[in-house]
Amino acid sequence: GAVVSQHPSWVICKSGTSVKIECRSLDFQATTMFWYRQFPKQSLMLMATSNEGSKATYEQGVEKDKFLINHASLTLSTLTVTSAHPEDSSFYICSAQQGGFANSPLHFGNGTRLTVT
Amino acid sequence: GQNIDQPTEMTATEGAIVQINCTYQTSGFNGLFWYQQHAGEAPTFLSYNVLDGLEEKGRFSSFLSRSKGYSYLLLKELQMKDSASYLCAVAGGYQKVTFGTGTKLQVIP
Repeated sequence: GAVVSQHPSWVICKSGTSVKIECRSLDFQATTMFWYRQFPKQSLMLMATSNEGSKATYEQGVEKDKFLINHASLTLSTLTVTSAHPEDSSFYICSAQQGGFANSPLHFGNGTRLTVT
Repeated sequence: GQNIDQPTEMTATEGAIVQINCTYQTSGFNGLFWYQQHAGEAPTFLSYNVLDGLEEKGRFSSFLSRSKGYSYLLLKELQMKDSASYLCAVAGGYQKVTFGTGTKLQVIP
């Protein structure tokens, strides 16, 4: 089945630094990938839709200059948290879809747990 | 906008059957997903419904009524490992998938 790989699994960084998270579709091409954030005991909140070869679409309330998304190829999207602060500490999960919804669900990466100290 | 409601917590006994309900109001509808999420892990896909009716897959079944904006996930022969959060998610327009807050299921002996 479709596999989505996300790296790193966890990262600890100091306040003010930037962190890059990679999301790869390993056995299929994904023109669209999605980035979610999940705080403890809460559900997944869609941050942005990453579109290959074009600008990402951000959800309301998500700062595009703080959460930089690059979708340079059909198998790779990156999320960079710039100038991270402790309140950015969260579980970040990417997902990708192979084909239409009727044929394939969203497949999730294993997530990245970010801790900003 | 999107609004998805499901119970926050449920408790059921090992070997029993449990039904987790989900109601939704969304702009655009391209199907409803159920995902399982264990603590600290990413969600894993359980089921997808786009037409009314029941989809059965082993111990898990999912039902959809589009006219009522209603779905349920049915888990049979509960096992301890089924203790997890179960997320109802709706695919709306523009491929967006919106998640409910999840139902934390605890299976007890």
